[in-house]
Amino acid sequence: NAGVMQNPRHLVRRRGQEARLRCSPMKGHSHVYWYRQLPEEGLKFMVYLQKENIIDESGMPKERFSAEFPKEGPSILRIQQVVRGDSAAYFCASSPPETGGTGELFFGEGSRLTVL
Amino acid sequence: AQSVTQPDIHITVSEGASLELRCNYSYGATPYLFWYVQSPGQGLQLLLKYFSGDTLVQGIKGFEAEFKRSQSSFNLRKPSVHWSDAAEYFCAVGTTSGTYKYIFGTGTRLKVLA
Repeated sequence: NAGVMQNPRHLVRRRGQEARLRCSPMKGHSHVYWYRQLPEEGLKFMVYLQKENIIDESGMPKERFSAEFPKEGPSILRIQQVVRGDSAAYFCASSPPETGGTGELFFGEGSRLTVL
Repeated sequence: AQSVTQPDIHITVSEGASLELRCNYSYGATPYLFWYVQSPGQGLQLLLKYFSGDTLVQGIKGFEAEFKRSQSSFNLRKPSVHWSDAAEYFCAVGTTSGTYKYIFGTGTRLKVLA
């Protein structure tokens, strides 16, 4: 059973370009979470999605950032018009549908975005 | 609002010494608490979790943690540290009301001296 798969592992973009980060949850998991990690700042919650629904996006910047988790295919975190401050590691995690905030999160290995 | 505080950003211990990493949380209801470990360049791996019952929980790799409601703490301990334990450790609280999300602390980076 494959774990949470994130791609690309490393992404370099120039300022103003778009970044798309993909996350395939573990088989049978319908809850996906995105976190951003900056040095010395730990993991910051960005968004919580279920299939075809955004449940909580309270951690997402109001502009340029969006996320989706379609019925088919991976979850995508999209950053438009990237700026240097978007450089970070972005982690996706998934959990089974019945656990809510009580079960283990399974993390991918992260996507490291560098904005030149 | 829910929050998790890890007061120690960096900790250095000698191999074989005991370890305690501190975690304090703020949450109005019964918390679901977790400790995760992150090796460089990797994702996070669950060490242990507390939901209810015995306040001393055992995890993988010889780690344990004790939940103290009166102190709002969930400190991680290991009696004898190995060089391979060098990593970053994150405490997290899972919310069970609202939208069920997980709040992480800022992490403690552990360095182990040979």
